[in-house]
Amino acid sequence: AQSVTQLGSHVSVSEGALVLLRCNYSSSVPPYLFWYVQYPNQGLQLLLKYTTGATLVKGINGFEAEFKKSETSFHLTKPSAHMSDAAEYFCAVRKTSYDKVIFGPGTSLSVIP
Amino acid sequence: ETGVTQSPTHLIKTRGQQVTLRCSSQSGHNTVSWYQQALGQGPQFIFQYYREEENGRGNFPPRFSGLQFPNYSSELNVNALELDDSALYLCASSFVGPNIYEQYFGPGTRLTVT
Repeated sequence: AQSVTQLGSHVSVSEGALVLLRCNYSSSVPPYLFWYVQYPNQGLQLLLKYTTGATLVKGINGFEAEFKKSETSFHLTKPSAHMSDAAEYFCAVRKTSYDKVIFGPGTSLSVIP
Repeated sequence: ETGVTQSPTHLIKTRGQQVTLRCSSQSGHNTVSWYQQALGQGPQFIFQYYREEENGRGNFPPRFSGLQFPNYSSELNVNALELDDSALYLCASSFVGPNIYEQYFGPGTRLTVT
């Protein structure tokens, strides 16, 4: 069965510092991987996705993630944190385009001025 | 804005009651999925409807049921509400096809069971 783990339920960074949110997955087949962001009292917004091809994917708001098959990881990064990045971030995996999406438990990002 | 809407925004029910939550999918989408997000947790898959038929279900009891209508709007029904059903309920619509992977989420319905 597929599963997703996110190391660190809460991450704090200073404004302008590097953001690194970790995600590892378990899957018997190469999955499709996603990062979503959720602002308070809102639904989920897709930040970026990996399906096939280039392992470094760029998303919205300056975020990017790298798929590393050997490490079964899909960590999310942003070179310089902004106050508006404070939110909950979810890593998710999907086996096929017809399959359900499995979410990790989430990481809450705080940005300190 | 994803084009996916949900109603109501908030709802308070008493244990044992029944509730119906509604979702209007993005135009052109043929699939809707429902998720339960308890406080401080990631969304958990409840079920998915494709062209009005349930084609996937998570680990939820039968008192969680759904419908998808010809216009691709959808309902989530929960009978015999329990306190643990208190959560944010999210629907997500998508167009299922090869090489199409995105789901578009609505803002959610916050259900409180007392």
